[in-house]
Amino acid sequence: AQSVAQPEDQVNVAEGNPLTVKCTYSVSGNPYLFWYVQYPNRGLQFLLKYITGDNLVKGSYGFEAEFNKSQTSFHLKKPSALVSDSALYFCAVRDGAGGYNKLIFGAGTRLAVHP
Amino acid sequence: DTGVSQDPRHKITKRGQNVTFRCDPISEHNRLYWYRQTLGQGPEFLTYFQNEAQLEKSRLLSDRFSAERPKGSFSTLEIQRTEQGDSAMYLCASTWAGLEENIQYFGAGTRLSVL
Repeated sequence: AQSVAQPEDQVNVAEGNPLTVKCTYSVSGNPYLFWYVQYPNRGLQFLLKYITGDNLVKGSYGFEAEFNKSQTSFHLKKPSALVSDSALYFCAVRDGAGGYNKLIFGAGTRLAVHP
Repeated sequence: DTGVSQDPRHKITKRGQNVTFRCDPISEHNRLYWYRQTLGQGPEFLTYFQNEAQLEKSRLLSDRFSAERPKGSFSTLEIQRTEQGDSAMYLCASTWAGLEENIQYFGAGTRLSVL
């Protein structure tokens, strides 16, 4: 079965510092991986995806993610954090069984960026 | 704003009552998903429609839950005889089975509180 793990409940970083939010995955076959962000009382907003190609994927709001097949990881990164980046971040993997393409989400990581 | 709208945003009900939620997907999207998100967890898949056909249902979807998507446009999710354990955020997502089919766009969700 497809699964993702986000090992950190919360990540704290100072504004202007680089940030990393970790995600590891377990899939059968080629992974289709996603990052979403959720602000309070809002739905999930798509940030970026990895389907194939370059291991470094660039997304919205200056975020990028590095796909590492040998470590089965897909960590989210940003070179310089903003206070406005504080939110809940979810890693997800596509479960393509049956062609239905539902998403399997991790438990989420709360990012707190301090001024 | 992703273009997926959900109504109502909040619903408070008493145990045993029936509730119905509505989701209007992005107009050209033919795939629609419902997810449930409880506090501190990532969204969990409930059910999937392609056009008007409901093609997959999670084991989470007990017989008290029913979903429809008449004419392949908006969708409704009904919960009968609500229980306190049904309290959660119900999220709807839509996508197009084409080049960008892997990106699901989420609505803001309906937060259900069962007293």
